[in-house]
Amino acid sequence: NAGVTQTPKFQVLKTGQSMTLQCAQDMNHEYMSWYRQDPGMGLRLIHYSVGAGITDQGEVPNGYNVSRSTTEDFPLRLLSAAPSQTSVYFCASEPLAGGQETQYFGPGTRLLVL
Amino acid sequence: AQSVTQPDIHITVSEGASLELRCNYSYGATPYLFWYVQSPGQGLQLLLKYFSGDTLVQGIKGFEAEFKRSQSSFNLRKPSVHWSDAAEYFCAVVSSGGSYIPTFGRGTSLIVHP
Repeated sequence: NAGVTQTPKFQVLKTGQSMTLQCAQDMNHEYMSWYRQDPGMGLRLIHYSVGAGITDQGEVPNGYNVSRSTTEDFPLRLLSAAPSQTSVYFCASEPLAGGQETQYFGPGTRLLVL
Repeated sequence: AQSVTQPDIHITVSEGASLELRCNYSYGATPYLFWYVQSPGQGLQLLLKYFSGDTLVQGIKGFEAEFKRSQSSFNLRKPSVHWSDAAEYFCAVVSSGGSYIPTFGRGTSLIVHP
């Protein structure tokens, strides 16, 4: 198992550009989520999905879109990047939603928006 | 709304000394509680979790945590710290019912002196 993979590892964008952060897992997990981590703060949930075709907003969803067309993939889209979106982004997955399972985190994507 | 407080931003201990990292939460019902560790440049790894039952929870890498409902605390402990334990530690809480949106503390950075 590769676990949770994220691409790219690093990205620099200009304000207004769009991009997609990729996340994939090969553990057949139903639940996947995206977090952002900012200095001096814990992780904040952006969006999550409890299964293919189902997504929902987390704590800080503005400026981000997601879709879940397959169980394996959960891409995060920035439609018009802003400097406030400079952060480290983590994707995570777990077998089922509900909070009792272990979450597995990807290695992160560092994003800089100029 | 649920919240998590990790009062110590940094903790410095000597190798071989005992360790306690504090976590306090605010939530109306019994929450699900987690401790994660993050090494530099890495994603988060689950150390242990509490859902119900025995209030003393054993985790990986020799860590344990005790849930104290009366104090709304879930402190992480280790009897003898190793240099490899130097990392960032995050406490998190998830509501035991309803929408699955975890709340993370801001983290405690553990520094281990030889």
